[in-house]
Amino acid sequence: KAGVTQTPRYLIKTRGQQVTLSCSPISGHRSVSWYQQTPGQGLQFLFEYFSETQRNKGNFPGRFSGRQFSNSRSEMNVSTLELGDSALYLCASSPGGLAAYEQFFGPGTRLTVL
Amino acid sequence: DQQVKQNSPSLSVQEGRISILNCDYTNSMFDYFLWYKKYPAEGPTFLISISSIKDKNEDGRFTVFLNKSAKHLSLHIVPSQPGDSAVYFCAASAPYSGGGADGLTFGKGTHLIIQP
Repeated sequence: KAGVTQTPRYLIKTRGQQVTLSCSPISGHRSVSWYQQTPGQGLQFLFEYFSETQRNKGNFPGRFSGRQFSNSRSEMNVSTLELGDSALYLCASSPGGLAAYEQFFGPGTRLTVL
Repeated sequence: DQQVKQNSPSLSVQEGRISILNCDYTNSMFDYFLWYKKYPAEGPTFLISISSIKDKNEDGRFTVFLNKSAKHLSLHIVPSQPGDSAVYFCAASAPYSGGGADGLTFGKGTHLIIQP
């Protein structure tokens, strides 16, 4: 089975712009979660989507949003970019259902905000 | 407030010896714990997990121990190999009332260096 794929792998934006990141989960996985990794804060949970619905959300401002499509692919959007949004954004998928504990990560999208 | 703590940023172990990575947590709602391994420029790779109803889980060279009363878990790697050099993240999850699990809460990682 192919793993989780994320596009693009690298992105450079300027403050105030918006960005959309894409994630394709492992075939058959219905849950997609997004994480932000920074040197200072480590890996932090953004949100999780299951069957096109946001099921769970971390403690991030409303500038961070996402969606999931009927084929389980997911996109994450960050509006009005700030310098502090520079990070590695990781997508993870799992089969979903009542337990979604073991998550399989993609390689990440490295976002740099100038 | 860090709910999952890995107090050793780095650990150096000789090849062939045992590597012990430690993790402490504060949230008593956590009921599932996982270890991930991460190489530079790659996403974390799932290594091993343990449910709170167990105190030990073994998979080949990797064993995870859970001490619920102390809110402590550890990952043992025996014997350590050069390919084990990576950053290891401890993660925990709590049941989510909406179904599924709460997002994973990660520690900040321990950089394990296996010396030949």
